[in-house]
Amino acid sequence: AQTVTQSQPEMSVQEAETVTLSCTYDTSENNYYLFWYKQPPSRQMILVIRQEAYKQQNATENRFSVNFQKAAKSFSLKISDSQLGDTAMYFCALKGATNKLIFGTGTLLAVQP
Amino acid sequence: DAGITQSPRHKVTETGTPVTLRCHQTENHRYMYWYRQDPGHGLRLIHYSYGVKDTDKGEVSDGYSVSRSKTEDFLLTLESATSSQTSVYFCAIKQGPDNEQFFGPGTRLTVL
Repeated sequence: AQTVTQSQPEMSVQEAETVTLSCTYDTSENNYYLFWYKQPPSRQMILVIRQEAYKQQNATENRFSVNFQKAAKSFSLKISDSQLGDTAMYFCALKGATNKLIFGTGTLLAVQP
Repeated sequence: DAGITQSPRHKVTETGTPVTLRCHQTENHRYMYWYRQDPGHGLRLIHYSYGVKDTDKGEVSDGYSVSRSKTEDFLLTLESATSSQTSVYFCAIKQGPDNEQFFGPGTRLTVL
């Protein structure tokens, strides 16, 4: 069975600082995809960043980057220069050979002015 | 914007009544999904479809049925709603080079 664990229910960061959200996962497959989704108070689910397991290079999207450690099954999200608009629930998700996404329970990030 | 709409956006109903939620997409995506979101659980897959009349169960399918008679619409039905089905329901489609999923705006369902 595939699982995704987010061990930080809530986090807080000051505006303009950097924060890292943790995610660990478990799968027996060799090829899979990992994703981070953002859910602001509007409730809309927004894809932030994606990583294919076969790619060694960590994905980056503007201020968002990941630290993908395949052997450790770790997929953390780093947000640089945090902005008030980054306040949201963040979900880590895993997709294997089936076309199903397995989500973690989420981390609620508050960016403080 | 993946062109996904959900209706209704909010619904309050009573225990034992049937409820149907609709997901509509405009871009001819083959795969469509229904999830529910509950505190402490993240999003969990209810059912998904990989084509017209082709559906399969997800992690939490008990008490739900789905239908897909045309590519653009994926319906989720609660035959007899229970209070445990109070939740926010999201529809999603699959697209992109990494098979990522994009979500609709969600439907908040309250079963009294």
